[in-house]
Amino acid sequence: EIVLTQSPGTLSLSPGERGTLSCRASQTISRSSLAWYQQKPGQAPRLLIFRTYNKASDIPDRFSGSGSGTDFTLTIDRLEPEDSAVYYCQHYGSALFSFGPGTKIEIK
Amino acid sequence: QVQLQESGPGLVKSSETLSLTCTVSGDSINSGTYFWSWIRQLPGKGLEWIAYIHKSGSTSYNTSLKNRLSISLDTSHNQFSLALSSVTAADTAMYYCARAPAVTSPTFDNWGQGVLVTVSS
Repeated sequence: EIVLTQSPGTLSLSPGERGTLSCRASQTISRSSLAWYQQKPGQAPRLLIFRTYNKASDIPDRFSGSGSGTDFTLTIDRLEPEDSAVYYCQHYGSALFSFGPGTKIEIK
Repeated sequence: QVQLQESGPGLVKSSETLSLTCTVSGDSINSGTYFWSWIRQLPGKGLEWIAYIHKSGSTSYNTSLKNRLSISLDTSHNQFSLALSSVTAADTAMYYCARAPAVTSPTFDNWGQGVLVTVSS
């Protein structure tokens, strides 16, 4: 089974800065199998990015995904206060889903 | 616009079976090809995928929970359900149902609002 790790655990940034979130897989995975979600307190997660770099509906252009092999990145440009949330990466393979432990973004 | 809504008891006694239902509205469970899934989130923790079922009846379970899990589909009521047996306090969590298009690399594009289940001793 693929295990996903995310870093850092918490990112504290100011509005307008760039956030760079990392997701590392325990072995090489397909770029098409990696997605990112945003979860705000008290809400269900929301799909942000699928297949490494494709944006879901209504996701601002400030969000972008990249990566390959075992290392994947979610980048949030020009952070806004509303981006304060926990971000999870997710993998699907061999009929199993898995999530990373999450990165919390705090906006100063 | 498809909507998913979880339902079930908010309190379950330890060693009993937790049973939850997800009602799908705005679309038929049979109309497309999706993995109808359950995901949980322990208090203050991350997301844990539990299981999915496809309209064909095929299922997949989290390997760490597999021995206690059962997922089923009720197309006549446009619902799918989860049963988790022999629960303990460690199963206290927010339980979400979600839909993932059954394409090459599925992702969860629609979620319910979640239902909090507490396991009491």
